[in-house]
Amino acid sequence: GEDVEQSLFLSVREGDSSVINCTYTDSSSTYLYWYKQEPGAGLQLLTYIFSNMDMKQDQRLTVLLNKKDKHLSLRIADTQTGDSAIYFCAERDSGYALNFGKGTSLLVTP
Amino acid sequence: TAGITQAPTSQILAAGRSMTLRCTQDMRHNAMYWYRQDLGLGLRLIHYSNTAGTTGKGEVPDGYSVSRANTDDFPLTLASAVPSQTSVYFCASSDGEGSGYTFGSGTRLTVV
Repeated sequence: GEDVEQSLFLSVREGDSSVINCTYTDSSSTYLYWYKQEPGAGLQLLTYIFSNMDMKQDQRLTVLLNKKDKHLSLRIADTQTGDSAIYFCAERDSGYALNFGKGTSLLVTP
Repeated sequence: TAGITQAPTSQILAAGRSMTLRCTQDMRHNAMYWYRQDLGLGLRLIHYSNTAGTTGKGEVPDGYSVSRANTDDFPLTLASAVPSQTSVYFCASSDGEGSGYTFGSGTRLTVV
């Protein structure tokens, strides 16, 4: 399938903002997603954005989409220790299947 | 609570044995998926089903089979397990709209 790339690791201090970046290659992607995985758990949908949007905000989460550069980012404001997890970027192609990145491990330190 | 149920939670399996991982959803979603998650490799699609009665191969289908006799159930079978199938297996479902997948809690399988 098409590639979705993410940096593997990010460390931030509690209270700071976190920005997790993702690039994708499939220009026909219709929706793009951010999932969160806590240790020993499944993936939980955080938010998603339709490909004709530039930005979506949901409480502490802001998603930015640059469709020209195929770049997606997730900003978490006022990051808390409970935000420590693995974050996956995913794109949906013209069918129903999602292609996932390898995940970014976010570590929030006190 | 509506969602996806996977069973078993974990399993140790002898190489060469067969096993079926169970997945049931109660959301009446048309599409269902099986992924495996491995360290450093992320999530890789094994098989999928867009609707009851149909199935398709994903990125890593070899050694696995699926069936979709009804909307709710999507079992994954390993006919003859090998150690490289040691992984965490996730089942997911989708209503086909933009809201993404709902995931189960996973099955941790160790093949020895």
